[in-house]
Amino acid sequence: LAKTTQPISMDSYEGQEVNITCSHNNIATNDYITWYQQFPSQGPRFIIQGYKTKVTNEVASLFIPADRKSSTLSLPRVSLSDTAVYYCLVGEVSGNTGKLIFGQGTTLQVKP
Amino acid sequence: EAGVAQSPRYKIIEKRQSVAFWCNPISGHATLYWYQQILGQGPKLLIQFQNNGVVDDSQLPKDRFSAERLKGVDSTLKIQPAKLEDSAVYLCASTPGGVLAGPDTQYFGPGTRLTVL
Repeated sequence: LAKTTQPISMDSYEGQEVNITCSHNNIATNDYITWYQQFPSQGPRFIIQGYKTKVTNEVASLFIPADRKSSTLSLPRVSLSDTAVYYCLVGEVSGNTGKLIFGQGTTLQVKP
Repeated sequence: EAGVAQSPRYKIIEKRQSVAFWCNPISGHATLYWYQQILGQGPKLLIQFQNNGVVDDSQLPKDRFSAERLKGVDSTLKIQPAKLEDSAVYLCASTPGGVLAGPDTQYFGPGTRLTVL
């Protein structure tokens, strides 16, 4: 399973776009890139998942360059409620063998 | 759709005591995971079940931790005896799973916060 590297913490202000980049140099062909969000006293919550290029949903966008050695989670116009820890995970998350290895995550602090 | 249920939410015990945590996954989810999350760290997988069988327990400290999912639905994680370093949040997650399933998101419960004194 590929190891990921992401910033320990980031600060932002309400209304700004936040981009969190994750490095995964040893990503394998069958690996997907998944981002989870965790609020205090809650379990992690799935945000977005992708394999290549760009994926967008109602919450975020995920940009993956052609070499797939990194990815960027983009949160448009953050609010105070987006203050959380964001985890980047890489792995073959197919049903039988799905295994998530969490790193330390990026603590995002959104300020008013 | 009901989410992953866990109980208790909080537990305080003294070292060398025993403790058990319960998890009920989302209905129909074949795969169930137990994670340990120490304060300031990301969750660490302890054990993964596919229905009532163990898929991966390589990170489970088997001298003191045990887990079962006898009927392939709910699951229990036990620690006996507990040590100070077991203080953590224990998270349960589930996915639909299945042999032909593609990438699955994991749905997490709220966790059980264990404090060992």
